[in-house]
Amino acid sequence: SQTIHQWPATLVQPVGSPLSLECTVEGTSNPNLYWYRQAAGRGLQLLFYSVGIGQISSEVPQNLSASRPQDRQFILSSKKLLLSDSGFYLCAGQGLSNEKLFFGSGTQLSVL
Amino acid sequence: KNEVEQSPQNLTAQEGEFITINCSYSVGISALHWLQQHPGGGIVSLFMLSSGKKKHGRLIATINIQEKHSSLHITASHPRDSAVYICAVAGGGGSNYKLTFGKGTLLTVNP
Repeated sequence: SQTIHQWPATLVQPVGSPLSLECTVEGTSNPNLYWYRQAAGRGLQLLFYSVGIGQISSEVPQNLSASRPQDRQFILSSKKLLLSDSGFYLCAGQGLSNEKLFFGSGTQLSVL
Repeated sequence: KNEVEQSPQNLTAQEGEFITINCSYSVGISALHWLQQHPGGGIVSLFMLSSGKKKHGRLIATINIQEKHSSLHITASHPRDSAVYICAVAGGGGSNYKLTFGKGTLLTVNP
């Protein structure tokens, strides 16, 4: 079955520090991959999606970037975190566009 | 851009009751997802459908493409069904890769 490993589960970082969140996929090849953020009391917001290695589409201008160095690896990064970057970050995958999504367990990021 | 509206925002039920959560969207889509998010934050995909009806255990999802509306039903609800249920649509003005999410419905089932 398709699985996403996402780490860490929680992260507390000072303003201005860098960020690297990673997720890896098992059980499928060439998945569509997504990074979502869920701010407190709000719905899921798509940050980035990738349909293949090195292919990244950004949905909203922000302080974050994403990379896909390998087929099953998706990384969310920032050079300098802002307070507004706090939130719950979820990595998700989809084998094909007509299949169900599968999610990582999420990372709760607090920027202080 | 597709607008996704869910109702109700909050729902409290007694164990055993029949539950209905609704989702409406503004632009034609290629698929609609129903997701379940538990208090710890983890999300599980319940259904993906583009037409008709799907059933899995006590859960039933329906979609009416003409009316741009979907419903998620839970029969014989149980406290373990307590979670946030999220509707998300694919397509509808964007690519099929991008999902637009509703804000979720918080369901609480009391014993």
